[in-house]
Amino acid sequence: AQKVTQAQTEISVVEKEDVTLDCVYETRDTTYYLFWYKQPPSGELVFLIRRNSFDEQNEISGRYSWNFQKSTSSFNFTITASQVVDSAVYFCALSTGNQFYFGTGTSLTVIP
Amino acid sequence: DSGVTQTPKHLITATGQRVTLRCSPRSGDLSVYWYQQSLDQGLQFLIQYYNGEERAKGNILERFSAQQFPDLHSELNLSSLELGDSALYFCASSQGGQNTEAFFGQGTRLTVV
Repeated sequence: AQKVTQAQTEISVVEKEDVTLDCVYETRDTTYYLFWYKQPPSGELVFLIRRNSFDEQNEISGRYSWNFQKSTSSFNFTITASQVVDSAVYFCALSTGNQFYFGTGTSLTVIP
Repeated sequence: DSGVTQTPKHLITATGQRVTLRCSPRSGDLSVYWYQQSLDQGLQFLIQYYNGEERAKGNILERFSAQQFPDLHSELNLSSLELGDSALYFCASSQGGQNTEAFFGQGTRLTVV
């Protein structure tokens, strides 16, 4: 069965702190894709990153970085020097073939 | 602005009624996806169309149906509505299949009373 677990329901950090959002996935497929989406208070879902199962290179984009580890089935997301605008719900998602599975989301609040 | 347009933004209707949600994908995108986001179920994939044909089905109820038209816009039809169908319904589009980057619309907030 395919599953995405985001164990952290809510996280609060003070501005400029670093924060890591955890994502653990389950799949028996050897080919799959992992995603992170951001849902700000305005409600729309914003694509952040896509990673395929054959590419374990970590990725950095500005203050965002992603750590993909197949050995632990994790795809964690770190925000460095958090800002108030980072406050949102973050979803991790798994795509295998024709199905798409979202985690339950982590609500991040950055306190000024 | 993602380029995906959903109408209406808000919809209030009574139990037992039928509604149609509409989605216009980004220019050039062939795939359209529908998702339901509710407090108790989270974000659930409902169905995907690719160039007019159904490509994948998720947790879509039999009371719900969708289609994608030749101009690639899509409609999600919800019938015999129940209170539990109240949710935010998202449409997303992408150039290819599920493994490609999908862009989401702003959603339609459906309230069933």
